[in-house]
Amino acid sequence: AQTVTQSQPEMSVQEAETVTLSCTYDTSESDYYLFWYKQPPSRQMILVIRQEAYKQQNATENRFSVNFQKAAKSFSLKISDSQLGDAAMYFCAYRSAGLSGGGADGLTFGKGTHLIIQP
Amino acid sequence: GAVVSQHPSRVICKSGTSVKIECRSLDFQATTMFWYRQFPKQSLMLMATSNEGSKATYEQGVEKDKFLINHASLTLSTLTVTSAHPEDSSFYICSARGSGWASYEQYFGPGTRLTVT
Repeated sequence: AQTVTQSQPEMSVQEAETVTLSCTYDTSESDYYLFWYKQPPSRQMILVIRQEAYKQQNATENRFSVNFQKAAKSFSLKISDSQLGDAAMYFCAYRSAGLSGGGADGLTFGKGTHLIIQP
Repeated sequence: GAVVSQHPSRVICKSGTSVKIECRSLDFQATTMFWYRQFPKQSLMLMATSNEGSKATYEQGVEKDKFLINHASLTLSTLTVTSAHPEDSSFYICSARGSGWASYEQYFGPGTRLTVT
């Protein structure tokens, strides 16, 4: 079974600064997907960024980027120019790609990191 | 696009009764739906996966007779908590994935807070 570990229960950053959230995972599979989700107080899960394991290039989405180290099984999220609206719980998640490549498995989540933005 | 709704958003029921939670994909056909459970200040735990027209696949440790999942159409899945007890109180979240453009990710509903008194 796959496991996802987020070792930072809480992180705090000054507005406009950069913060990196850590995530490591354990799997014996070679093909999979990794995700970062944001869960604000409303508890609606919002996809922040997605990475396919077969891609060497790190994914980026505006102020959000990842550092994907497949051999080290590490998948950190960097948030640049932090904004007050970034305050939320952030979950790292893993999904198997499955035999067809599309996968039918649910997500395995880490325990989350509570990100606080200091004004 | 890719909107998933859940109903109700909150429900309070008495111990021993059953409660049904609906999950609907509003603008795409959900070939697969997932049900997660989230305790306060904790992560999401996958309970079961359902494909339209098939029996749900439950994760280890999840009682399938207690958490009945039906995925009767490509836009609707239901979770029924039978003979609910206070320990079933939790936040239940569904997600859905379709085909084509809707296969890129799982789209999450807003969740249902269940309180069993």
